[in-house]
Amino acid sequence: DGGITQSPKYLFRKEGQNVTLSCEQNLNHDAMYWYRQDPGQGLRLIYYSQIVNDFQKGDIAEGYSVSREKKESFPLTVTSAQKNPTAFYLCASSTHSGTEAFFGQGTRLTVV
Amino acid sequence: GENVEQHPSTLSVQEGDSAVIKCTYSDSASNYFPWYKQELGKGPQLIIDIRSNVGEKKDQRIAVTLNKTAKHFSLHITETQPEDSAVYFCAASSGTYKYIFGTGTRLKVLA
Repeated sequence: DGGITQSPKYLFRKEGQNVTLSCEQNLNHDAMYWYRQDPGQGLRLIYYSQIVNDFQKGDIAEGYSVSREKKESFPLTVTSAQKNPTAFYLCASSTHSGTEAFFGQGTRLTVV
Repeated sequence: GENVEQHPSTLSVQEGDSAVIKCTYSDSASNYFPWYKQELGKGPQLIIDIRSNVGEKKDQRIAVTLNKTAKHFSLHITETQPEDSAVYFCAASSGTYKYIFGTGTRLKVLA
């Protein structure tokens, strides 16, 4: 089946630790995105990548880092510099035109 | 800055009735408007979208209308069913890969 796979579904992190969220897609999409969702709010863009080896900051990039070494993969690292990392993280991919973005099932990160 | 306002934040309808969710965008360069349905604990699912060169689009029980002059677009769900209960998000994009999302509408369909 074609789609976007995020792992893990739930993740717990101790304060001061970095953690990496995985996102893989087999839709042959050029563009990939990371969004953060907090309760009662819309989705906010963290980073996006239009092509391999290139990515741009979104609205809330501070405390996060990404890489795009392969077309299929766009991992997100939540660093210890992120002050309030507890949230639901969503990965998406889209066609080269930027339309028809499809989302993964999300990773819920909790800092303990 | 660019933003998308979405109303209402919650909506309850009786099964079989229609539901309408409205969004207003600020960026006049926006030319792509998708709608997403999100069920609890899951990622958003693209249910319908519309481009700026079209005024209305239908797909079975759902339809989207766009008024570029007024900068607003709406989602219409007819003959609502309990499985339509979810949070619905609108979004606007100017083709720069950046989507601006509304804050969501929690739709409850009462059996």
